Amino acid sequence: KAGVTQTPRYLIKTRGQQVTLSCSPISGHRSVSWYQQTPGQGLQFLFEYFSETQRNKGNFPGRFSGRQFSNSRSEMNVSTLELGDSALYLCASSRFGTGTTYEQYFGPGTRLTVT
Amino acid sequence: QQQVKQSPQSLIVQKGGISIINCAYENTAFDYFPWYQQFPGKGPALLIAIRPDVSEKKEGRFTISFNKSAKQFSLHIMDSQPGDSATYFCAASGRNNQGGKLIFGQGTELSVKP
Repeated sequence: KAGVTQTPRYLIKTRGQQVTLSCSPISGHRSVSWYQQTPGQGLQFLFEYFSETQRNKGNFPGRFSGRQFSNSRSEMNVSTLELGDSALYLCASSRFGTGTTYEQYFGPGTRLTVT
Repeated sequence: QQQVKQSPQSLIVQKGGISIINCAYENTAFDYFPWYQQFPGKGPALLIAIRPDVSEKKEGRFTISFNKSAKQFSLHIMDSQPGDSATYFCAASGRNNQGGKLIFGQGTELSVKP
């Protein structure tokens, strides 16, 4: 079974630009969560999508947004990039249903550098 | 109340020794506690996980000990090997629709010396 895939793997953007990152979950997984990883703040939850609906949201500004498609693939978008947005963005997928908890499996991440 | 506190920040262990990493939480709504292993340039990989209805879970050389009353859990790596050198993260998530939101500890950088 193929794992979680993320594209692109590396990205360099300039302050003020916007960026879209993509995540394809493991086949059959309906939940996709996004996390930001930085040396200073560690791993922080951004948001989770389940059946095309945002089910949970972390404490990030509105510049960070996401969506999920009917095939469970997900994208996240960051608008008006700031230097502090430089990070590894990780996507994780799970079979989650409602009222249950399943394991989350992470992709390799997208390394975003903002200059 | 959403925090998960992890210690130590770094750990050096001799080959064959036992590595122990500890985590503490405050939110009693958490009911799922996984441990992840991350190598440089890779995403975190799920190692082992536990729920509060058991006090211990063992998978190979990895064991989670869970103390519900103290709101603490720990990872023990027996017979540590140089290949175990990585960063380890504990995490927690809540029940029902909060399951997709993992709250992570700050990580422990483990180095196993040959």
